[in-house]
Formats: sequence, structure tokens, C-alpha cells
Amino acid sequence: SQTIHQWPATLVQPVGSPLSLECTVEGTSNPNLYWYRQAAGRGLQLLFYSVGIGQISSEVPQNLSASRPQDRQFILSSKKLLLSDSGFYLCAWRPSGPWLDTQYFGPGTRLTVL
Amino acid sequence: KQEVTQIPAALSVPEGENLVLNCSFTDSAIYNLQWFRQDPGKGLTSLLLIQSSQREQTSGRLNASLDKSSGRSTLYIAASQPGDSATYLCAVSQDAGTYKYIFGTGTRLKVLA
Repeated sequence: SQTIHQWPATLVQPVGSPLSLECTVEGTSNPNLYWYRQAAGRGLQLLFYSVGIGQISSEVPQNLSASRPQDRQFILSSKKLLLSDSGFYLCAWRPSGPWLDTQYFGPGTRLTVL
Repeated sequence: KQEVTQIPAALSVPEGENLVLNCSFTDSAIYNLQWFRQDPGKGLTSLLLIQSSQREQTSGRLNASLDKSSGRSTLYIAASQPGDSATYLCAVSQDAGTYKYIFGTGTRLKVLA
């Protein structure tokens, strides 16, 4: 069976510090991968998605970047965090292919920037 | 630009009530619509997925309908239980290649024992 992991679960970082959040998927190959952010009082916003290794698409201009160094690994990074980067970050995966299927979400990372 | 709205934002009901959550979207050219559940501080769990050509889907006490032409979907929960307390999110996908989702802001449901 497939599982998705995210770490760390919670993170408190000072403004201006770097960030690295990791997401890995097990039990599947060549998945579509997604990073979402859920800010307080706001809906879930898609930040990045990837349909293959090294292929990253950004949905919104921001202080963050994403990378996919391996097939089942998706990393969210920042060189200098802003207060507005605080939020709940969710990684999701979906089987690649044209068939109808859901996205499967990880447990999330709660990021607080002080 | 697609916008997804959910009404009400919050709902509190006594146990046993049947209830309806609403989701509306501005662009009817969707590929599918999905309802998710989110418990506090947790990830999302898929509840029901409706393809654009379908009218409804059912799973246990849950029934989701889709009226694509009017840009609406409803999630019906029968005989609500305290364990149903959570935030319910609807999301639409317009891109059959990347399957990106656009989410609504959610309805926070509390079922009182």
C-alpha cells in the first residue's frame, strides 16, 4: 500500500531563517506531487506541483521554492522566511495517468514564523 | 479564474440531524469535484469524488450531488454523529493533465451529543 510522509510535524523558525520541508511517498512510482499551504482563516492554496523528477510548476509568486530530487521526494524550501510564510503545509500525491483518482494528503507540517 | 465558495462557514447541529453543506464554483468547465474532511491539525481525507459527467456519489451516510451547469454541489450527511465533527472542504479540478485542485474555504461542522 502507498503511504505519504511529511516532516517535521511542527516547526518554529525566526524571520529570515532558511526552511526545508520534506515529503516522501512510498509504494508507488512516478506520482504527481503537490505542495499546498493553509493559512489561518484562509482556504487551501496550491503552491507547487510536479509531474516528474526535476519538473516543478509554481502556482503563485512567493518566497518559497520546490524541488524534486528523486521520484518520490518533494522538498519545499526558502532562503529567508517571512512572517507571512506561517501556516499549515500539506503535501499530496496522485497516481500519474489519465484515470480518475483522488489526491492523497500527508499529515502536514505546522510552520510558525516569529 | 475559478472561485470556489462554501456556505455556511460554520455549522453546529444536535446529534441525529440530517444536514446539507453547500459548495459553489464560478466556472462550470470542471473535470471533477471532490469532497474532503479535515480534522483539526490533520491532513485531508477524501470522502467522495464526482466526475463531471456524474450527478451524484454515495458512501454510507454521505451523499454528494453535482449540478455542473449551475456550478453547485451539495454534501448530504444523514443522521449526524459527534464523530462527524470536522471541517469539510470541496475542491474542483479543471486540468485533466495535472489534476490541480482549487479548494473552497470549508465548512466547520460541530455535531453536539
